[in-house]
Amino acid sequence: EPEVTQTPSHQVTQMGQEVILRCVPISNHLYFYWYRQILGQKVEFLVSFYNNEISEKSEIFDDQFSVERPDGSNFTLKIRSTKLEDSAMYFCASTGTGGSVQYFGAGTRLSVL
Amino acid sequence: KQEVTQIPAALSVPEGENLVLNCSFTDSAIYNLQWFRQDPGKGLTSLLLIQSSQREQTSGRLNASLDKSSGRSTLYIAASQPGDSATYLCAVRRTSGTYKYIFGTGTRLKVLA
Repeated sequence: EPEVTQTPSHQVTQMGQEVILRCVPISNHLYFYWYRQILGQKVEFLVSFYNNEISEKSEIFDDQFSVERPDGSNFTLKIRSTKLEDSAMYFCASTGTGGSVQYFGAGTRLSVL
Repeated sequence: KQEVTQIPAALSVPEGENLVLNCSFTDSAIYNLQWFRQDPGKGLTSLLLIQSSQREQTSGRLNASLDKSSGRSTLYIAASQPGDSATYLCAVRRTSGTYKYIFGTGTRLKVLA
């Protein structure tokens, strides 16, 4: 069964450093998303991406965050200068069409020290 | 602002029991609702997607119902098994025009052998 792949599974970084989280969505999908889950809290929407541009973003997704689809297969989330409060599990998701099931990756656990 | 609540927060049942997990949402103008399963440290697996025009969806031992007017959905699990132990999340997507899901805090289910 096709799946969304995320790397790395765990990323440890120092406060102030830049991190890039990587995702390979399902190959024929067109819509891509990032969510995050702080330990013990709800899964929160960050951003959606379609047709090579951001289609929607939350208030969490400030200037420190950016997304990119550098080639036909990868979808990345960059955090420019990490803060302690960025520590969370980050999930990538994709859908074939806007209204259908969102398939999630296993997540990247980001630990900011 | 859409709020999604899940009750109970945790549930422990003996194997073989039928059980119901509840999800309520404050804004009935939803496009669809998804139930997910999350295993510890893992990603989200979509279980059932109910479009706003549907009343229920079934997959194997799982049945999800949707009552938009009252802002409620239930996930019914028949003949529970230890392998069903996980956290179950419901998430709603507002009416067409947004792709993001708003998640509940989840119900942590433990099925005892």
